[in-house]
Amino acid sequence: QVQLVQSGAEVKKPGSSVKVSCKASGGTFSTYAFSWVRQAPGQGLEWMGGIIPIFGTPNYAQKFQGRVTITADKSTSTTYMELSSLRSEDTAIYYCAKAAATTGKPSSFDYWGQGTLVTVSS
Amino acid sequence: EIVLTQSPGTLSLSPGERAIFSCRASQSISSSYLAWYQQKPGQAPRLLIYGASSRASGIPDRFSGSGSGTDFTLTISRLEPEDFAVYYCQQYGSSPQTFGQGTKLEIK
Repeated sequence: QVQLVQSGAEVKKPGSSVKVSCKASGGTFSTYAFSWVRQAPGQGLEWMGGIIPIFGTPNYAQKFQGRVTITADKSTSTTYMELSSLRSEDTAIYYCAKAAATTGKPSSFDYWGQGTLVTVSS
Repeated sequence: EIVLTQSPGTLSLSPGERAIFSCRASQSISSSYLAWYQQKPGQAPRLLIYGASSRASGIPDRFSGSGSGTDFTLTISRLEPEDFAVYYCQQYGSSPQTFGQGTKLEIK
């Protein structure tokens, strides 16, 4: 059974950066895409970007280009999402999610992390 | 990017009734790369349907999906108390992947 365990809640000042981790266990890590999806309070889901660890090249939504960095560490089966230049509108729960299909095929998300609340406040 | 519009915004039904959710895309979704998720308060989304009509592992057969092109539907044939939640559609055939704004299923 795949498990995705994310790092804990963060409180950040506007203009700073946050880095959230997502450790996978119970399955193959390198050949599946891992994405980051955020959800502002009371709002819907927004895909930020993703990475296939075996390839290492991330793919970002245009909205977050230049502000988000997604990386993966195959040795620890962990993916990271760093968001910079934080503003109050970035306050949200950030989820990591694993693709159901292997290696780059278009795919839904079959496993999700528990979510990490990031609060941006002065 | 492909915009997904879900309707209705809120669905008020009673246990035992049938629920029908609609998801309309701003352009055709290739190869029916359309998924449905259920989200309960304080929880991560849960995959219900992928490929427009395939049930994910462990999903009861009262959940079914249909549609192609720009119009998709999720049906819950007979509502159980645990089905009251928010439902999202997602297209994953075109980058960026996008989600609908959600439909809240509430108890009448």
